[in-house]
Amino acid sequence: DIQMTQSPSSLSASVGDRVTITCRASQKISTYLNWYQHKPGEAPKVLIFAASNVQSGVPSRFSGSGSGTHFTLTISTLKPEDFATYYCQQSYSGPPTFGQGTRLEIK
Amino acid sequence: QLVESGGGLVQPGGSLRLSCAASGFTFSKYNMFWVRQAPGKALQYVSEISYNGGGTYYGNSVKGRFTIFRDNSKNMLYLRMGSLRPEDTAVYHCARRAEYDIWSDGHYMDIWGHGTTVTVSS
Repeated sequence: DIQMTQSPSSLSASVGDRVTITCRASQKISTYLNWYQHKPGEAPKVLIFAASNVQSGVPSRFSGSGSGTHFTLTISTLKPEDFATYYCQQSYSGPPTFGQGTRLEIK
Repeated sequence: QLVESGGGLVQPGGSLRLSCAASGFTFSKYNMFWVRQAPGKALQYVSEISYNGGGTYYGNSVKGRFTIFRDNSKNMLYLRMGSLRPEDTAVYHCARRAEYDIWSDGHYMDIWGHGTTVTVSS
């Protein structure tokens, strides 16, 4: 199975900050990379699919980039509702696999 | 939307059946997933079923113990869980598969349920 590794595992930031989360794949996956936001007790929500496509209804402050093995999720200006855990997930081959998550906390 | 049910406390070695009720879309046109999250851990793929139930796929950790199936006439997805282990303790989410590239396998999970909690303990 393809292994997905996110960094950092946790991150403290303030409202208004710009934040970048990194995801690396254990092999090349082209742009078959998705990003999700998950808050405790809620359903996970897709933010970005195919590395850089913003899902309908997702605010424009969220953006994604990358291809091959290196990907990033950027939140341009943090809002209070953005504090959550973020996961990357590959759909290139085999079973879908997720990164270990990045917990974004309020500083 | 998707609404899961059927979770609970079960002893090691026991069985449980989870359900996922779909509404607001043509259920029979979509592949569906089960994804779980153990306490303090990341999201983990459990299983997938094709839109017509003809294809089923499992993660290595549940293969041979869990069975995914669906009833398109009732807009229902199920997960039959057997030989349960403490490490199966998790919140189980159902999710819909969305295709973005029909010529490859490009897909993502666009609709998720809130999940149902399974606890395996004596």
